[in-house]
Amino acid sequence: QKEVEQDPGPLSVPEGAIVSLNCTYSNSAFQYFMWYRQYSRKGPELLMYTYSSGNKEDGRFTAQVDKSSKYISLFIRDSQPSDSATYLCAMLDYGGSQGNLIFGKGTKLSVKP
Amino acid sequence: DSGVTQTPKHLITATGQRVTLRCSPRSGDLSVYWYQQSLDQGLQFLIQYYNGEERAKGNILERFSAQQFPDLHSELNLSSLELGDSALYFCASSVRSAGDGEQYFGPGTRLTVT
Repeated sequence: QKEVEQDPGPLSVPEGAIVSLNCTYSNSAFQYFMWYRQYSRKGPELLMYTYSSGNKEDGRFTAQVDKSSKYISLFIRDSQPSDSATYLCAMLDYGGSQGNLIFGKGTKLSVKP
Repeated sequence: DSGVTQTPKHLITATGQRVTLRCSPRSGDLSVYWYQQSLDQGLQFLIQYYNGEERAKGNILERFSAQQFPDLHSELNLSSLELGDSALYFCASSVRSAGDGEQYFGPGTRLTVT
């Protein structure tokens, strides 16, 4: 079983839809959870950064962490064509790996006008 | 623009050869990370340097090596290249030495081994 599982998609939605992206993980030592966005032929960029369980909102984006279920989500409200990208979840074991981010394989999202 | 620069953008070389990828971190960042991204494996952490010292090691092959210089730029050396080494190689930088999820990625170097 891989440490981080993410559905690769592709996911295609109409403009204005609410998008839900998810990851599951197996390592209960993970404490920090990130979502990175990667446009085609570009490097990943940090979108959301959360610690432990709970919700964090930033504009149209909401990150949710449920440590008891080992499940994290990213919600995008009022999705736009410019949101079309690959979304990578990432996790960090603060105590063990000293900076080693574990990434999901990414979900490719396409928002159609 | 993340402020992290990588050269070259593209590299095409033959099996058995050796190449060097270069990375300059964001101004003020002391940590440099190297990642490999392939279609089947996703984004894999290779190695981290902090202020010139190796800090963490991931799934880096023995044929690969890296270093960080006093001016904080870093180089990733790949030798005895195989077809399977074809991938995107990203460099990222951050401020902290450890446990830093806030990493800034460069545009990547696309390596093709023929």
